[in-house]
Amino acid sequence: DIRMTQSPSSLSASVGDRVTITCRASQGINTYLAWFQQKPGKAPKSLIYAVSTLQSGVPSRFSGSGSGTDFTLTISSLQPEDFATYYCQQYDSYPRTFGQGTKVEMK
Amino acid sequence: QITLKESGPTVVKPTETLTLTCTFSGFSLRSKGVGVGWIRQPPGKTLEWLALIYWDDRKFYSPSLEGRVTITKDTSKNQVVLAMTNMDPVDTATYYCAHRADYYNPRGPEFDYWGQGTLVTVSS
Repeated sequence: DIRMTQSPSSLSASVGDRVTITCRASQGINTYLAWFQQKPGKAPKSLIYAVSTLQSGVPSRFSGSGSGTDFTLTISSLQPEDFATYYCQQYDSYPRTFGQGTKVEMK
Repeated sequence: QITLKESGPTVVKPTETLTLTCTFSGFSLRSKGVGVGWIRQPPGKTLEWLALIYWDDRKFYSPSLEGRVTITKDTSKNQVVLAMTNMDPVDTATYYCAHRADYYNPRGPEFDYWGQGTLVTVSS
């Protein structure tokens, strides 16, 4: 199985801050990397797929980058509605695997 | 628009078989390239991929659960069913189904739409 390792596991930030979350795959996954946002009691929401393509309706303050095994999710200016947990997922091979999550909390 | 909804028991006993149904609308499993997957999330933990079925009936399972999990589709009812045998308290989780977008688009998303999830508790 491909192991997906996210860092940090949690972070505290303020509205307006730039936030960066990293995701490392245990082997190369081409461009088959997605990011999801999850709020308490809700289903995950697709944010980004194919490393850097924003899902329809996702604000442009979200961006993704990376290649091979190292990937990054960036929120350029954190908004109140962005406090949530973020997960990366590889869909290069089976079984699909997710990172352990990064919780973005209010400072 | 695409919607999915999970249904099934909220409580099962240890050793019982769990059967969950994902009922969807806005797409068809007759359409080439489309699939439906199941993902679960134990309370306070990360997401775990369980199984995926495609329009052409190809099926993929998590190796850690293979042998316990079966995924099937009923195209006429727009439903996908997940069966999991020999349930244990560690299987307590919220179970989600999700739409697998066009398999033939390598630059496209995978799970783009998710159901609301259903919490299943395994307890005697």
